[in-house]
Formats: sequence, structure tokens, C-alpha cells
Amino acid sequence: ETGVTQTPRHLVMGMTNKKSLKCEQHLGHNAMYWYKQSAKKPLELMFVYNFKEQTENNSVPSRFSPECPNSSHLFLHLHTLQPEDSALYLCASSQYQGQNGGYTFGSGTRLTVV
Amino acid sequence: QQPVQSPQAVILREGEDAVINCSSSKALYSVHWYRQKHGEAPVFLMILLKGGEQMRHEKISASFNEKKQQSSLYLTASQLSYSGTYFCGTAPDKAAGNKLTFGGGTRVLVKP
Repeated sequence: ETGVTQTPRHLVMGMTNKKSLKCEQHLGHNAMYWYKQSAKKPLELMFVYNFKEQTENNSVPSRFSPECPNSSHLFLHLHTLQPEDSALYLCASSQYQGQNGGYTFGSGTRLTVV
Repeated sequence: QQPVQSPQAVILREGEDAVINCSSSKALYSVHWYRQKHGEAPVFLMILLKGGEQMRHEKISASFNEKKQQSSLYLTASQLSYSGTYFCGTAPDKAAGNKLTFGGGTRVLVKP
């Protein structure tokens, strides 16, 4: 375990389904992130939350909706996804503008849209 | 704009050295390096800051050339455990310090 826990580890959903990904950290970090990792593509930043406030939405389609109820929990709500949204979704946390440390990533949720 | 990593892949014998480069077309404030093993989360190795010192993680070290807008990761006397995909993540300024843009990765395979 890395200190950042993501659930579920695997998810298969139809294009009309609604599901949520969960991320939890107890490292005392105050920034949390969602990244998308697709085959043969670099890690893509989706959302950034600093002190529970969203500070970045990297032109992500509205079918992805993040929620950060507190600095330890982060959710990604999914609805009416497309097959091209199939990917590994990684959550990470860090200290805000972490000068002395980097991100701690979770193990990811492998999402397949059918 | 994402940084460019080179080479895309490298195969080493245990004990050999390798260099991975991360180049940006824009000025950089910080560069992070991560290693991801198959089926696992990326793991933070080190961070280099503009004006900072060369960093080290075990026998892996890195440098940051601000003028060239480039960072290099040095795998010295490679071990089997060094196998994985190495990613650099960059931030253009201090304000964007925690919004990293990642390179495409370099796959490293260390053979006995």
C-alpha cells in the first residue's frame, strides 16, 4: 500500500451506467489529483484540488464529475461514458506546492467501458 | 505542453549505466521523476528545483539544466529492481508547482 487507497481496483460499466471512483489518503496531504493513464499516452492531468477547492479542470468532459468533501477523500463520478474513456484512473496526493516531496499515487482503478 | 523523454526504451545488463533525458520547450521551475512497475502505482523518486542541487535516490541521480530546459536521470550500476517505466513530470513556474505535465515515459529493462 502506498498510503493512497483507490476503490474499486477494476470496473466494467456500460455507456448508460453511473458509477463513482473513490480515493482516500491519510498522509496529511492537502492537495489531491485525478490523472488518466491510457495505453501509449502520457499521464493526463484531469483535476486538481488544493485544500478541498478545485483549482484545475484540464478541459475534462462533463461526463466526469469530481468531488472533494474533505482533504482526505476524493471522488470521480462517471456517467454516460464512451469506450474511449477506458483507461487506468490514478489518484494522487501531495503537499500543496510540495517543494520537498512529490506525489503519492494510488494503485489506480482500471475502467472498461462497454 | 508535455515534456519529451528519450530514449523511449532501453535494455541494460545488470551493473550497466544508462541516462534518460526529459526536455521541455518551455522554461521549467521543477522536474519530478517517478518509476512505475507493471501493474503498480508510479513511485516518486526525486524532485529537482530551479537553482537547486543535483538529487539522488539510492544509486539513481538526476540533474537539472535550466538553460537547456532539460533534466537527466542517471541509472548507475543498474540493478534488476530498476526495471520499470520512468516518467518525468514538469511544472513551468512555482504557482503551477503541483500541476505536473508528464512525459511519455521511458521503459527500462535490466537483465541478469
